[in-house]
Amino acid sequence: AQKVTQAQTEISVVEKEDVTLDCVYETRDTTYYLFWYKQPPSGELVFLIRRNSFDEQNEISGRYSWNFQKSTSSFNFTITASQVVDSAVYFCALRTGGGNKLTFGTGTQLKVEL
Amino acid sequence: EAGVTQFPSHSVIEKGQTVTLRCDPISGHDNLYWYRRVMGKEIKFLLHFVKESKQDESGMPNNRFLAERTGGTYSTLKVQPAELEDSGVYFCASRGAHWDTEAFFGQGTRLTVV
Repeated sequence: AQKVTQAQTEISVVEKEDVTLDCVYETRDTTYYLFWYKQPPSGELVFLIRRNSFDEQNEISGRYSWNFQKSTSSFNFTITASQVVDSAVYFCALRTGGGNKLTFGTGTQLKVEL
Repeated sequence: EAGVTQFPSHSVIEKGQTVTLRCDPISGHDNLYWYRRVMGKEIKFLLHFVKESKQDESGMPNNRFLAERTGGTYSTLKVQPAELEDSGVYFCASRGAHWDTEAFFGQGTRLTVV
């Protein structure tokens, strides 16, 4: 069975602080994909990144960066110099190689204040 | 290109009534998914269509839920009769045919059963 754990229910930071959202996953499959989605107050789920299990290279996109470590089964997400617009619920998700559906974590509510 | 659209955005119905949710996927996407988030918990898979065929309906809670995708285009999810525990946000997602792609989500339908 697959499982995704986002232990941080809610994080509050002051603008310009760096913040890391944790994601730990469990799967017995050797082929899988990991995802991060953002849910702003408007409600839609916005795709941020997809990473497959054979690519452990970290990725940076502007103020966003992702750290994938198979040794600890983690796929953490860091926002550098956070902004108020980053306030949202962030979901980590897993899709295994033999399946089609996404297994989500419970989400982390990020609040960035002035 | 239009994204995934869902209708209605909100619905409030009484226990025992029927509600039909609609999802229009991204044009050309064969894969269509329904998910549900209940009371701030994780987003859970309901079912998966490939074109007009149900590929996986293992997440459907019970036989009060009926999903259709006639013609392989838009999909509907009907709840009949609705119960209080059906309240939540229902998300639809679509994905292209290639395995190495991500799912794109709609804004969700917030269903409240009173």
